[in-house]
Amino acid sequence: GQNIDQPTEMTATEGAIVQINCTYQTSGFNGLFWYQQHAGEAPTFLSYNVLDGLEEKGRFSSFLSRSKGYSYLLLKELQMKDSASYLCAVRDSNYQLIWGAGTKLIIKP
Amino acid sequence: EAEVAQSPRYKITEKSQAVAFWCDPISGHATLYWYRQILGQGPELLVQFQDESVVDDSQLPKDRFSAERLKGVDSTLKIQPAELGDSAMYLCASSLGTGDQETQYFGPGTRLLVL
Repeated sequence: GQNIDQPTEMTATEGAIVQINCTYQTSGFNGLFWYQQHAGEAPTFLSYNVLDGLEEKGRFSSFLSRSKGYSYLLLKELQMKDSASYLCAVRDSNYQLIWGAGTKLIIKP
Repeated sequence: EAEVAQSPRYKITEKSQAVAFWCDPISGHATLYWYRQILGQGPELLVQFQDESVVDDSQLPKDRFSAERLKGVDSTLKIQPAELGDSAMYLCASSLGTGDQETQYFGPGTRLLVL
């Protein structure tokens, strides 16, 4: 079967750095996406990785290792507005998105 | 900035009633998706359209759910009759296509409560 694993919940302090991990086992691989979802709202696109390595976009970076079936989302200089759920999704060989359950990130002052 | 539009934003209905949700994708986006998301879980794909054609509806409970995209632009998702377990967020997303680097963009969602 296909599976995406993420921690259920993480807590971090405002101004700090946090790394949210995602491991996956899917039928094929055609890219990995990270989305941010605030409570009661729709997911918004954060990043896309298809090749190994680090993609940096402002305070957010995403890393991929295809051989390890592993990705992480790194958030720097945390702000209170970063409190949200972060969803990892992998596109399989059929170009279907397989979604993780999301990691709820709580930022404390 | 172009956005995916959905309506209504909230819907409360009684079980056994019919409900319908509407989605207007980003202009020019050929692929449209309907997802259901239960609190604390990731989105679950219900149906995917490529233009007006259904590409994947394997997870759509066809005894009560139906979806259409008659002119290949906006789409309607219907539930009849609604059941208590249908309470969830219904998300519509669109993308230019389905190839590499095609990103799905989501609308604000319709939150359904079945009483």
